[in-house]
Amino acid sequence: RKEVEQDPGPFNVPEGATVAFNCTYSNSASQSFFWYRQDCRKEPKLLMSVYSSGNEDGRFTAQLNRASQYISLLIRDSKLSDSATYLCVVSGTGRRALTFGSGTRLQVQP
Amino acid sequence: EAGVAQSPRYKIIEKRQSVAFWCNPISGHATLYWYQQILGQGPKLLIQFQNNGVVDDSQLPKDRFSAERLKGVDSTLKIQPAKLEDSAVYLCASSRSGVENEQFFGPGTRLTVL
Repeated sequence: RKEVEQDPGPFNVPEGATVAFNCTYSNSASQSFFWYRQDCRKEPKLLMSVYSSGNEDGRFTAQLNRASQYISLLIRDSKLSDSATYLCVVSGTGRRALTFGSGTRLQVQP
Repeated sequence: EAGVAQSPRYKIIEKRQSVAFWCNPISGHATLYWYQQILGQGPKLLIQFQNNGVVDDSQLPKDRFSAERLKGVDSTLKIQPAKLEDSAVYLCASSRSGVENEQFFGPGTRLTVL
């Protein structure tokens, strides 16, 4: 079983739509959680951290459910510029800093 | 603030040849990482340095991959000899000491092994 699992997509949505991505992780001792964004042929960039209480940054909302080992990202009012791959990232105990999922590709269409 | 620099950006070699990649992290960042990202997958950590010491190299194929960060600043990653399955983007990232969760990535080196 992969340490971090995501639906690869692609998710094809119209502009203005609301879209949600899910992610599960296998290590219950994982401590920190993030969403990174990666544009085509570019490097990953931190989008937002994910907290147990949930957190929101503009049109983006991230949620964490430790009991189910589940992370989500909700994007409201999708823009064309949101088209990218969204990587679910987990930081656990031990020496390895970050473990990345394979990413979910989002394509927002006009 | 300058970002993470990597070179070359692209490299094409034949299998069994050697190749080296270079990375210069953000100034002041003590922690440096090399990741391998195969098409369609997320980045996989190969090696993590804290200053010039290795923190984690558990996923580095040591029979063919080596990395060094001699002066605790820039770093090189070498593959010798290369295999077809090494075709990937090699990403370098850096972070401040104690803030390993916020990593800044360079543009990567896209390696094609023929």
